[in-house]
Amino acid sequence: ELKVEQNPLFLSMQEGKNYTIYCNYSTTSDRLYWYRQDPGKSLESLFVLLSNGAVKQEGRLMASLDTKARLSTLHITAAVHDLSATYFCAVAWVRRTYKYIFGTGTRLKVLA
Amino acid sequence: DSGVTQTPKHLITATGQRVTLRCSPRSGDLSVYWYQQSLDQGLQFLIQYYNGEERAKGNILERFSAQQFPDLHSELNLSSLELGDSALYFCASSLSPGDNNEKLFFGSGTQLSVL
Repeated sequence: ELKVEQNPLFLSMQEGKNYTIYCNYSTTSDRLYWYRQDPGKSLESLFVLLSNGAVKQEGRLMASLDTKARLSTLHITAAVHDLSATYFCAVAWVRRTYKYIFGTGTRLKVLA
Repeated sequence: DSGVTQTPKHLITATGQRVTLRCSPRSGDLSVYWYQQSLDQGLQFLIQYYNGEERAKGNILERFSAQQFPDLHSELNLSSLELGDSALYFCASSLSPGDNNEKLFFGSGTQLSVL
């Protein structure tokens, strides 16, 4: 069974600082996703990473994928308060059927 | 707005009761996924349907069942409810599993409170 782990679980950081969220998964997968969830809200897709070495950037967020290490990172550059949310990675798992298994989530709080 | 509609938004019921959660996928999406989100278990995959057929099962209890109808909307039925079933239930939809541009679009969720 595929396991997806994120760390840290909680992250409190000052505005203007950089930080990285890590997502490890236990078996081979051909795609990885990052989602954002604001408190009490739904999940919003941020990135889809499809191949080893893939890198995508949107504003202050950059996601990368290393399929050999089974690791994805979400890097935050010069954090601002609006980035405060919970971030989930999700891995697509194909064993005759297609499942999306989510990580535990990282709750990010950016302090002014 | 993701285009995925879930009703009701909130549901309060008692232990032992049965409820039905409804999901209408985005226009054109054939696949529907159900997830349960609780504080201690995170986001747990329950079940997936594709074009009316069950495709994948996750950690779905026997007391829970789901189906996808010919118009592609889906319902999740929860019966003999227990306090521990209180959670936020999300529905997500996608066009075609396995497609390179595939990603999930989530509804706003149904908050279930079992008292």
